[in-house]
Amino acid sequence: QKEVEQDPGPLSVPEGAIVSLNCTYSNSAFQYFMWYRQYSRKGPELLMYTYSSGNKEDGRFTAQVDKSSKYISLFIRDSQPSDSATYLCAMIKAAGNKLTFGGGTRVLVKP
Amino acid sequence: GAGVSQSPRYKVTKRGQDVALRCDPISGHVSLYWYRQALGQGPEFLTYFNYEAQQDKSGLPNDRFSAERPEGSISTLTIQRTEQRDSAMYRCASSLETGVGITEAFFGQGTRLTVV
Repeated sequence: QKEVEQDPGPLSVPEGAIVSLNCTYSNSAFQYFMWYRQYSRKGPELLMYTYSSGNKEDGRFTAQVDKSSKYISLFIRDSQPSDSATYLCAMIKAAGNKLTFGGGTRVLVKP
Repeated sequence: GAGVSQSPRYKVTKRGQDVALRCDPISGHVSLYWYRQALGQGPEFLTYFNYEAQQDKSGLPNDRFSAERPEGSISTLTIQRTEQRDSAMYRCASSLETGVGITEAFFGQGTRLTVV
């Protein structure tokens, strides 16, 4: 079983809808939680990161971490066709530098 | 350069040949990471360096894989006696700092390796 699980999708939503993405993890040592966006044929690019539990908002994006449930979420409000991409969650343990990724969720926002 | 540069972008090699993949990180970035990404999967950690020191190589699949960063800048990932299962996208990332600095890692476009 993988340390970080993520539904592969695809997740198809109409333009303007809220996109809801999530990951579960098994190792309580993870302390830093990131969301990356990856367009086709491109490298992952960092969207947001949070430390430990709580919420963080950045424009149309909100990241949530629930360490008690080992569950993290990313919400995209007012979704746009340009948000169509694969979204990867990633995590780091406090004492390390190794990013552990989920498998990614492919999102398609239809105009 | 402006970003992490990897070369070649595409590499097709015959089974049993050795290949060397190059990563040129963002100037001044201390940490450098190698990941492998299969189609439809998330990146899988291979190894990382702080300056020229290889800090963690636990993700290297076997002893055919090795990496170096002799002067703390450019890094080379070498795969000896390639096998078809080595076919994947190999991605390099760099970050300015160690530790929490990983949260600001920047990825290159990757090298697509195909072993025939």
